[in-house]
Amino acid sequence: EAEVAQSPRYKITEKSQAVAFWCDPISGHATLYWYRQILGQGPELLVQFQDESVVDDSQLPKDRFSAERLKGVDSTLKIQPAELGDSAMYLCASSLGLERINEQFFGPGTRLTVL
Amino acid sequence: AQSVAQPEDQVNVAEGNPLTVKCTYSVSGNPYLFWYVQYPNRGLQFLLKYITGDNLVKGSYGFEAEFNKSQTSFHLKKPSALVSDSALYFCAVRDSVSGTYKYIFGTGTRLKVLA
Repeated sequence: EAEVAQSPRYKITEKSQAVAFWCDPISGHATLYWYRQILGQGPELLVQFQDESVVDDSQLPKDRFSAERLKGVDSTLKIQPAELGDSAMYLCASSLGLERINEQFFGPGTRLTVL
Repeated sequence: AQSVAQPEDQVNVAEGNPLTVKCTYSVSGNPYLFWYVQYPNRGLQFLLKYITGDNLVKGSYGFEAEFNKSQTSFHLKKPSALVSDSALYFCAVRDSVSGTYKYIFGTGTRLKVLA
């Protein structure tokens, strides 16, 4: 069964360092999402791609966060510099496309701890 | 603005008893509603969705949900709970107004099934 891959699974870093997360969506899925989930809360959308284009990044803290999906396949989310408040689970999800009312498929997530 | 509310932080139920996890929604336009489940340190898994048609939607693992337009609710149900159903459950709505088609998640309800 096809799955969304994410790496690393866990990341511990110090404040002010740079971190990067990688996501490989299910093959053929045009839409890719990055979410941040604080412990015990619901996922919050950070950025949404349709192929290589950003559809929504209104909640992405652009002074420190960046995301790219250069070839419309895998994607990288970067934080520089990391802050204590960035400690959270970062989830990647994919779906077939914006025009379809399809479910999202989620990866296992990257748990970030900022010390 | 599109939103969903999950009024209960936690629901406790005895194994074998029926369970209900509540969700209410507020949308402009047609409501496209979803339920997801999350196990510890894992990504979210899709359970079921409502797009149109029959108000009773059947999904994975014996779960079903009842769409009620007059009460703007989409409650998740299962006739007989299992200990293995213990997890975090999220209701979500797909934004069909802003043009981004993003998904908005509730705050989650922790289900605890007692043996």
